[in-house]
Amino acid sequence: DQQVKQNSPSLSVQEGRISILNCDYTNSMFDYFLWYKKYPAEGPTFLISISSIKDKNEDGRFTVFLNKSAKHLSLHIVPSQPGDSAVYFCAAKRESAGNNRKLIWGLGTSLAVNP
Amino acid sequence: ETGVTQSPTHLIKTRGQQVTLRCSSQSGHNTVSWYQQALGQGPQFIFQYYREEENGRGNFPPRFSGLQFPNYSSELNVNALELDDSALYLCASSLEVSEGAGKTQYFGPGTRLLVL
Repeated sequence: DQQVKQNSPSLSVQEGRISILNCDYTNSMFDYFLWYKKYPAEGPTFLISISSIKDKNEDGRFTVFLNKSAKHLSLHIVPSQPGDSAVYFCAAKRESAGNNRKLIWGLGTSLAVNP
Repeated sequence: ETGVTQSPTHLIKTRGQQVTLRCSSQSGHNTVSWYQQALGQGPQFIFQYYREEENGRGNFPPRFSGLQFPNYSSELNVNALELDDSALYLCASSLEVSEGAGKTQYFGPGTRLLVL
């Protein structure tokens, strides 16, 4: 049972355009969401996060939007750069339950930004 | 400040054997988590260690066990290897257990295990 779903295994965009990566979740108890980026042969690196009390968080070119009613979040990258080409993972946890050690991950979306 | 390192980078074992994977935490970090990432999947939480004690476990059988040492380095041991254990094993360290699954968790590059 996949509680965090990234339904697009891959995405290709042109350099300078917007990249939108989507993530859906089924567990309404999740209250903290994170996006990680992973390059080949490297571990995931934290990108941006959002608490369920917010609907938007922005950090430079990266913005995460959260729609709790739809149990959906998205990561926007504007403008996209070739160096953004990587696998992006969405992850969620129940921080309020004290179970903040266990992240539930999606399957990832492979983003290719073409020059 | 050194990052999280893991050894070996690659490993091939046969079914039924035992394997030990190693992780050196980022300097000053006292919490380490282990994840299994099968091909085409997201990482799955195996367990977490905080100050040498297990501090939470995912849905993995007892043949997956771990250790954390006084210098906060860690080992993941898997006994009676099965073909489905073939995966990338990731170690992640953080400064405090409260940040054990958040933005201040730093991942190593992983150990890729192949079980034949």
